[in-house]
Amino acid sequence: ILNVEQSPQSLHVQEGDSTNFTCSFPSSNFYALHWYRWETAKSPEALFVMTLNGDEKKKGRISATLNTKEGYSYLYIKGSQPEDSATYLCAFKRLSGANNLFFGTGTRLTVIP
Amino acid sequence: EAGVAQSPRYKIIEKRQSVAFWCNPISGHATLYWYQQILGQGPKLLIQFQNNGVVDDSQLPKDRFSAERLKGVDSTLKIQPAKLEDSAVYLCASSFSGRGEGGYTFGSGTRLTVV
Repeated sequence: ILNVEQSPQSLHVQEGDSTNFTCSFPSSNFYALHWYRWETAKSPEALFVMTLNGDEKKKGRISATLNTKEGYSYLYIKGSQPEDSATYLCAFKRLSGANNLFFGTGTRLTVIP
Repeated sequence: EAGVAQSPRYKIIEKRQSVAFWCNPISGHATLYWYQQILGQGPKLLIQFQNNGVVDDSQLPKDRFSAERLKGVDSTLKIQPAKLEDSAVYLCASSFSGRGEGGYTFGSGTRLTVV
């Protein structure tokens, strides 16, 4: 069983604050790292699929970085808004072996208006 | 494009009863996944189909869980008999290929409560 860890488990921020979360994953046998946003009562939504060491991706106020050599990825949210409140999941895909995503337990973000 | 459709959204059953979930993936997506997410844990893969063939069912409790994807399109997941520890959200997802380069597209899930 692969170990994919996310921190913190949960956090509350004020509207307008910037925040970031961490995802740690195995540094060997790497193929891809996915980030998903899961709002309550909705479907998990793909934010980023990252494959190259040093990758930086951006979608509006959300961005992510990837370090495959040390096995971590950061997700940043700039100027948090109440609609950013959700659980953010990262998932690791191996180069060889089982061909599915291994998920972390998620970071639950609450943005206080 | 239409999303991944799942039904029902919620289900409450007594232990030892049976339950079935249905999923219709994105049109043209060859790969379909069923994930189980227990409260406080990350989603865990139960079974992965490529078209109508099983790619990975290593974590499917086969004594009580079964799944099929007839004709390589929609899929059903069944639990018989259910246990209390099966209470979870069951997520269906699909991707164009088995490598999931564009990410997975998820349905909104079925929240199962076993009492």
